[in-house]
Amino acid sequence: AQKITQTQPGMFVQEKEAVTLDCTYDTSDPSYGLFWYKQPSSGEMIFLIYQGSYDQQNATEGRYSLNFQKARKSANLVISASQLGDSAMYFCAMREDFRTASKLTFGTGTRLQVTL
Amino acid sequence: DAGVTQSPTHLIKTRGQHVTLRCSPISGHKSVSWYQQVLGQGPQFIFQYYEKEERGRGNFPDRFSARQFPNYSSELNVNALLLGDSALYLCASSIGTDHYGYTFGSGTRLTVV
Repeated sequence: AQKITQTQPGMFVQEKEAVTLDCTYDTSDPSYGLFWYKQPSSGEMIFLIYQGSYDQQNATEGRYSLNFQKARKSANLVISASQLGDSAMYFCAMREDFRTASKLTFGTGTRLQVTL
Repeated sequence: DAGVTQSPTHLIKTRGQHVTLRCSPISGHKSVSWYQQVLGQGPQFIFQYYEKEERGRGNFPDRFSARQFPNYSSELNVNALLLGDSALYLCASSIGTDHYGYTFGSGTRLTVV
């Protein structure tokens, strides 16, 4: 069963506008973490923002904010004031903890294109 | 400070061959994890190593193996390469096994022909 779902294969946004990238997740574990990563064409996964399952407030990091709706199991990324350099693939991921390790489970990603 | 470094950056191999990919973590990071990212998909977890011991393994065949050295660098080995092994292989390091402080490298792009 897919644990992270990103339903938008591609999104367009005009420069200086805000954009929301959707992410839903599925877990029965009460303790989990949700991440958003940016992957430019160079391939490196760049950490953007983190939300813990017990965090009361939505996470924010500069122009990035995470709209965390626990009951709906959604963790949407909001990018404000988009810039041309924001054009990239964006991945939502969930941390799953094993007894001695943890791993990230990623969605299929959303390609964001910022236009003039 | 240097980030996570991976080598080589690109590699072309023939089916049936063996490949070794290398990763140097950020100084002070004791955990290294490997992910495979096939074109058009998100990364998939292969291994996590911490203090030179395997701590977790994803759903990959035994052709995939890894190890971590005393300096915390790591190697990922893949035997009997298949066309389907063509992917971007990402290494990530963290202080401990908790993924919150993960830093990824730029990856090794492997092409099997």
